[in-house]
Amino acid sequence: NAGVMQNPRHLVRRRGQEARLRCSPMKGHSHVYWYRQLPEEGLKFMVYLQKENIIDESGMPKERFSAEFPKEGPSILRIQQVVRGDSAAYFCASSPSKGYTFGSGTRLTVV
Amino acid sequence: GENVEQHPSTLSVQEGDSAVIKCTYSDSASNYFPWYKQELGKRPQLIIDIRSNVGEKKDQRIAVTLNKTAKHFSLHITETQPEDSAVYFCAASDGTGTASKLTFGTGTRLQVTL
Repeated sequence: NAGVMQNPRHLVRRRGQEARLRCSPMKGHSHVYWYRQLPEEGLKFMVYLQKENIIDESGMPKERFSAEFPKEGPSILRIQQVVRGDSAAYFCASSPSKGYTFGSGTRLTVV
Repeated sequence: GENVEQHPSTLSVQEGDSAVIKCTYSDSASNYFPWYKQELGKRPQLIIDIRSNVGEKKDQRIAVTLNKTAKHFSLHITETQPEDSAVYFCAASDGTGTASKLTFGTGTRLQVTL
């Protein structure tokens, strides 16, 4: 079992560009969560998805951010028109129930 | 929504001593409380968890206690070692269904000195 796979590990974007972060959950896991971690801070919930459904997006900023988990393929977190404040580590987690396994994260740097 | 507070923010102990990190939560419906360890630049890793139907759980040098009445839970690390140095996060689940979001504390940076 390869674990939760996230790519890319590091992503550099200029202000105004789009960032696409990918997450492949552990085999057999149907729940995917995205969290954001700002430098020196804790993890903040963004969105919870199951296949083809957004279950809870209460932590997602209202603009520029979107997430999907299609029937086939990885979950995608998309940030449009990135700004410097989007620079953070974005962690994906998957779970069959309540015990999370986190991926290694994508560290987004906006320059 | 759930709010989790964590103390202290930094903790320095000598090798071999015990370390205790405390968290409080606000939502009485929360029923799952995991603890994560995060080393610099790495992913958070689950080290121990407890559900609301038990008051204490132990795994070798690590133990967690839960007081549902007071809505607080604590992580205890005994016989600390340098490799225990990391940031530790507590979290609480909002308790809805079998899979749900976690609300994390702000973290405790533990430094174990020789």
